[in-house]
Amino acid sequence: EIVLTQSPTTMAASPGEKVTITCRASSSVSYIHWYQQKPGASPKPWIYDTSKLASGVPNRFSGSGSGTSYSLTISSMETEDTATYYCQQWSSKSPYTFGAGTKLELK
Amino acid sequence: EVKLLESGGGLVQPGGSLRLSCAASGFTFTDFYMNWIRQPAERAPEWLDFIRHKASGYTTEYNPSVKGRFTISRDNTQNMLYLQMNTLRAEDTATYYCARGDYPGWFAYWGQGTLVTVSS
Repeated sequence: EIVLTQSPTTMAASPGEKVTITCRASSSVSYIHWYQQKPGASPKPWIYDTSKLASGVPNRFSGSGSGTSYSLTISSMETEDTATYYCQQWSSKSPYTFGAGTKLELK
Repeated sequence: EVKLLESGGGLVQPGGSLRLSCAASGFTFTDFYMNWIRQPAERAPEWLDFIRHKASGYTTEYNPSVKGRFTISRDNTQNMLYLQMNTLRAEDTATYYCARGDYPGWFAYWGQGTLVTVSS
């Protein structure tokens, strides 16, 4: 099974600040996807295939990476971005797995 | 509009069984893989299984963590997805979601979830 390690586990950012969340895989993966989850709600699809934004996701969000190292970046933090973000991988050699999540708070 | 609505959760004793349902609407059900994913409170989601679309013969795949205890199935005449869960354990306590699979491994639509609690 491919293990995804997200960092940091929690972080706080001020409005307007740039935010980067990383996701490292224990082996090379074919696809990395990201989800946003707010308390009491289902995870929302956010970024797919490393860098493609899901419908309705603001363009201050971006994704990048390859092989075993990936990241989600917010160019300018906004209040509504407070949430937990999960990365998730697809590989033909492993069940789908999720990272443990990064909780993003407002400073 | 794509809608997924889970039902069937509740309190069950260890060793018991439960069948979850997911009603799908707003899309051509037979064209898509369908998945079950669970999430214990305050923890990350865990993918459980999927059942492929018509073009792939509705075959199934399971996470080894539940293989042999859980069974996914679909009724394509009723646009329903099911999860039969047997020999339940305390660690199966979680919110269970059905999700439509789009792009490889991409869970593009999720239901609101149904809570399963395994406790005596």
